[in-house]
Amino acid sequence: GAGVSQSPSNKVTEKGKDVELRCDPISGHTALYWYRQSLGQGLEFLIYFQGNSAPDKSGLPSDRFSAERTGGSVSTLTIQRTQQEDSAVYLCASSLWVQPGSPLHFGNGTRLTVT
Amino acid sequence: AQTVTQSQPEMSVQEAETVTLSCTYDTSESNYYLFWYKQPPSRQMILVIRQEAYKQQNATENRFSVNFQKAAKSFSLKISDSQLGDTAMYFCALESGGSNYKLTFGKGTLLTVNP
Repeated sequence: GAGVSQSPSNKVTEKGKDVELRCDPISGHTALYWYRQSLGQGLEFLIYFQGNSAPDKSGLPSDRFSAERTGGSVSTLTIQRTQQEDSAVYLCASSLWVQPGSPLHFGNGTRLTVT
Repeated sequence: AQTVTQSQPEMSVQEAETVTLSCTYDTSESNYYLFWYKQPPSRQMILVIRQEAYKQQNATENRFSVNFQKAAKSFSLKISDSQLGDTAMYFCALESGGSNYKLTFGKGTLLTVNP
């Protein structure tokens, strides 16, 4: 596609439910990133993929968070047993490759609200 | 640890005037990149301008330019001839450590351009 596509745009869920957030990167981009944007913490790195592998998962806040990427394209971020503190905007980005100075292309994000 | 500080939570400017957004950072790395991203209400983070630390010349992109003071670890963004479409959150970001996957963002500055 022309840009990074994220779905859903908004998601409201009850505390304790599982949610899946989807990211479709720019075609041909080998690197994919997930960031979280919340009022209290600003923008935080969660995880990145080079192809289908995730060399750095250090930003995932707990073991309730997981992500996968299949076929070197679409990625899914899953949050199990959601908590109210998980409420945030989840941003996905992609780049041609992981290279110093290579700019990230972001999607419009998914706004997650946990009630 | 890397830090990025934006000391101006909000700023406003009249259309057609010039405004400067401040950013200071800290890193122990010798080579790094600095970015300004813009986030309009659509939530999509858009790259405004990029600066490599080794380059002494300040980056410019049309109406956007930076004042990069390496010794002072300062990276301010100047917007000339402000337009209504420049209204957005502006984030300063630092990439260092030899990879581009983990950006450190400032808390952002909300810029409002008034007609």
